[in-house]
Amino acid sequence: AQKITQTQPGMFVQEKEAVTLDCTYDTSDPSYGLFWYKQPSSGEMIFLIYQGSYDQQNATEGRYSLNFQKARKSANLVISASQLGDSAMYFCAMRDFEGGGADGLTFGKGTHLIIQP
Amino acid sequence: DAGITQSPRYKITETGRQVTLMCHQTWSHSYMFWYRQDLGHGLRLIYYSAAADITDKGEVPDGYVVSRSKTENFPLTLESATRSQTSVYFCASSPGTVTGNTIYFGEGSWLTVV
Repeated sequence: AQKITQTQPGMFVQEKEAVTLDCTYDTSDPSYGLFWYKQPSSGEMIFLIYQGSYDQQNATEGRYSLNFQKARKSANLVISASQLGDSAMYFCAMRDFEGGGADGLTFGKGTHLIIQP
Repeated sequence: DAGITQSPRYKITETGRQVTLMCHQTWSHSYMFWYRQDLGHGLRLIYYSAAADITDKGEVPDGYVVSRSKTENFPLTLESATRSQTSVYFCASSPGTVTGNTIYFGEGSWLTVV
């Protein structure tokens, strides 16, 4: 069974500092993808970044990067130079492609990030 | 680029009533999903669909019905709403299931059952 664990229910970070949001996962499938979504107070789910299990390099998207450590089964999100607008809930999610991936994503419980000025 | 649109965005209904949440996507994605989001539970899959006329149960399907007669639409019906179905409902879609296929979400539908 797939499982995603986010151990930080909430975080307070000073503006302009870098942030690392933790995510560990468990799966027995060799082909899977790891996703991060941002959910601001307005409620929508915004896709941030994707890392495939066979990708050799860590994914990056602007200020977002994913620190992928396959042996440790961790996929931490790093936000560089945090901004007030980064305050939101952040969800780590996984999709197993080996079994077809038809049943979508398994989500963690989320981390509530608050950026302080 | 409209993407995924959900309607209604906000709904208050009474216990026992039937409610249908609509979902429409403009990308012609094969896969569509319904999730519910509750405090303490995160997002949980209700139903998913691999193509028109193909649907399957997710983690929490009881009390819900779906249909998919057209690729672009995936309505979710609560046949007899209960207070435990008060939640935020998200529709999502994906082009496929190959490595790298991202799942994109609609803006959510806030449902309150009184």
